[in-house]
Amino acid sequence: EPEVTQTPSHQVTQMGQEVILRCVPISNHLYFYWYRQILGQKVEFLVSFYNNEISEKSEIFDDQFSVERPDGSNFTLKIRSTKLEDSAMYFCASSEDRTSATQYFGPGTRLLVL
Amino acid sequence: AQKITQTQPGMFVQEKEAVTLDCTYDTSDQSYGLFWYKQPSSGEMIFLIYQGSYDEQNATEGRYSLNFQKARKSANLVISASQLGDSAMYFCAMREGPRSSNTGKLIFGQGTTLQVKP
Repeated sequence: EPEVTQTPSHQVTQMGQEVILRCVPISNHLYFYWYRQILGQKVEFLVSFYNNEISEKSEIFDDQFSVERPDGSNFTLKIRSTKLEDSAMYFCASSEDRTSATQYFGPGTRLLVL
Repeated sequence: AQKITQTQPGMFVQEKEAVTLDCTYDTSDQSYGLFWYKQPSSGEMIFLIYQGSYDEQNATEGRYSLNFQKARKSANLVISASQLGDSAMYFCAMREGPRSSNTGKLIFGQGTTLQVKP
C-alpha cells in the first residue's frame, strides 16, 4: 500500500539553526500539507500546497517557515532560524484532491530545539 | 469558524467491551468531511474512518463505526470489542467542503486518550 514517508524521524538542533524536514507524498497525490503537534497537544495546520504554490497558510506559518517541492517527488518544510517553541512533531500529509475522503499522514519528524 | 470539540481528555474501557469517544463540531458549511485518526505512543497518525456530511449511512470500518448525528453536529467514534492495542490517543478532525477557497486542510480536536484495561 502506498504511504507518505518522512525523514529524518528525529532531529535535534540548536536554537537559531536552519532545519529542513523532508517528505515524499504518495505519488499520484496533488495536495500536500504540513501539520505540527506540540507534545501533548492537538495537531495544528501549518500550510497547504498545490500546483507548486502555497494555497493556504496558518498564523503559525510565519516568515521563518517555507515549503518547496524541489523535484516533483519531495516536499520540504524549512525552518530558517529555529526557536525553542518550534520543538514539536511535524507531520506531512497528502491527498488526491482537496475533497478526497482520505488524507494520508506520514510518520512524522520529531524536532527538538535546544 | 470551524471548531472541533472532544470533551473527554481520557477514557478507560475494559478489554472486549465497546467504547464511545465523543466529538462535536461547528461549521457553517453544508458540505464537509469528518475523520477519526488514532495516534499510538509511537506518534504516527493512523486514519481510521471517514464520514461525509451528505452520507446517509453511518460509516463503518471493521470494529470502528461513526455515530453521525448531523442535527446535533456530533460524530462520535464507537470502537467495539476493545483490544489492548486500541490504547492510544484518538483525534477527531473536520475538513471543509468543496468551495473554491477551501484547501482541504484538517482542523483537529484536542484528542481523547483511551486506555484499554486487561
